[in-house]
Amino acid sequence: DIQMTQSPASLSASVGETVTITCRASENIYSYLAWYQQKQGKSPQLLVYIAKTLAEGVPSRFSGSGSGTHFSLKINSLQPEDFGSYYCQHHFGTWTFGGGTKLEIK
Amino acid sequence: QVQLQQPGAELVRPGASVKLSCKASGYTFTSYWVNWVEQRPDQGLEWIGRIDPYDSETHYNQKFKDKAILTLDKSSSTAYMQLSSLTSEDSAVYYCARSNYDYPWFAYWGQGTLVTVSA
Repeated sequence: DIQMTQSPASLSASVGETVTITCRASENIYSYLAWYQQKQGKSPQLLVYIAKTLAEGVPSRFSGSGSGTHFSLKINSLQPEDFGSYYCQHHFGTWTFGGGTKLEIK
Repeated sequence: QVQLQQPGAELVRPGASVKLSCKASGYTFTSYWVNWVEQRPDQGLEWIGRIDPYDSETHYNQKFKDKAILTLDKSSSTAYMQLSSLTSEDSAVYYCARSNYDYPWFAYWGQGTLVTVSA
């Protein structure tokens, strides 16, 4: 089975900073990767699909990149509403999620 | 608008079973798979499986093959997940989410059902 490994597991940053979260697949998943944001007590929300396509309504400060086994989600100029948890997902086959990254306010 | 409605919470005794529901509206029910995802307290997301309302075909994460059974009622556009032989390890929030072959990512999610297994 394909394994998805995210790093870091947690991240502390300030409003206005730029952060990058990475996701590694155990084998080639081409561009079948999505990113989700989850706020405490809420359902996950789709941010990016097919590795780099922003979902409807997602601010342009979010960007996804990568293909094959290495992927990243970059958030430029962090806003207060960006803090929460982020998950990558292989969106094909077994829909495996990464372990998550908790983004906290410094 | 697309909606996936789930009950907020279920309290279940250890050893018992529970049947969770996910009622779809705002789209053609048979055009999208219904996926189920587990999230244990302060943990990440884990895909349990999916069911295709078109032909009721199911696919499971091997980890949940003996724990979850996915079914549906086309007449009410509702998908169900039955969890059996519940233990405290099954206490979690269970989400439903839709996808299909052309749109395999999870753009729409239910609000989740919190299952608490306790005597």
